[in-house]
Amino acid sequence: DQQVKQNSPSLSVQEGRISILNCDYTNSMFDYFLWYKKYPAEGPTFLISISSIKDKNEDGRFTVFLNKSAKHLSLHIVPSQPGDSAVYFCAARAEGAQKLVFGQGTRLTINP
Amino acid sequence: GAGVSQTPSNKVTEKGKYVELRCDPISGHTALYWYRQSLGQGPEFLIYFQGTGAADDSGLPNDRFFAVRPEGSVSTLKIQRTERGDSAVYLCASSPRTEDSHSNQPQHFGDGTRLSIL
Repeated sequence: DQQVKQNSPSLSVQEGRISILNCDYTNSMFDYFLWYKKYPAEGPTFLISISSIKDKNEDGRFTVFLNKSAKHLSLHIVPSQPGDSAVYFCAARAEGAQKLVFGQGTRLTINP
Repeated sequence: GAGVSQTPSNKVTEKGKYVELRCDPISGHTALYWYRQSLGQGPEFLIYFQGTGAADDSGLPNDRFFAVRPEGSVSTLKIQRTERGDSAVYLCASSPRTEDSHSNQPQHFGDGTRLSIL
């Protein structure tokens, strides 16, 4: 079963506007969540993370929001820039475990 | 280089052959992970090392897959009797993790080895 789901395979946003990427999870034991960005032929690059004891974490243009009751998290990028065009993966780690469980990814395209 | 290094970047071989994929983690990182990514999917966990020992190998798909980390640094993923379904990008990651699961540290990935089984 898919414990981490990114239901939007792709998203297109105009440069300068806000990009919102969504992720849902089913495992209530997840306590640490991460977002990774991936360019073609490169490995995933860590962007930002959030612990389950928080509901928001901000780092520059990137903000992650966590809604534990809804088992939902989102990544906001504002303002969006052409270099943000990439595939974004949501990942989660269960309490007591080390492995990450990834979503299927969302391809973000920033249009000039 | 400061990042995770994986070699080779590409590997093409025939069905039934044996392959070895190498991972050189970030210096000082005690935790090392292997993942596999198929087209259109997110990375899927294979195995996790803490130091020299495999702390979690629950993601290895079958006994054709094996990984070692004899000195607690470089790791090798070994695949015997390769099958066409083994074709994927094999990713390695490392983190400055210890046994404390409450010390939240992100995993840092290499660029992967693209394995193609003909």
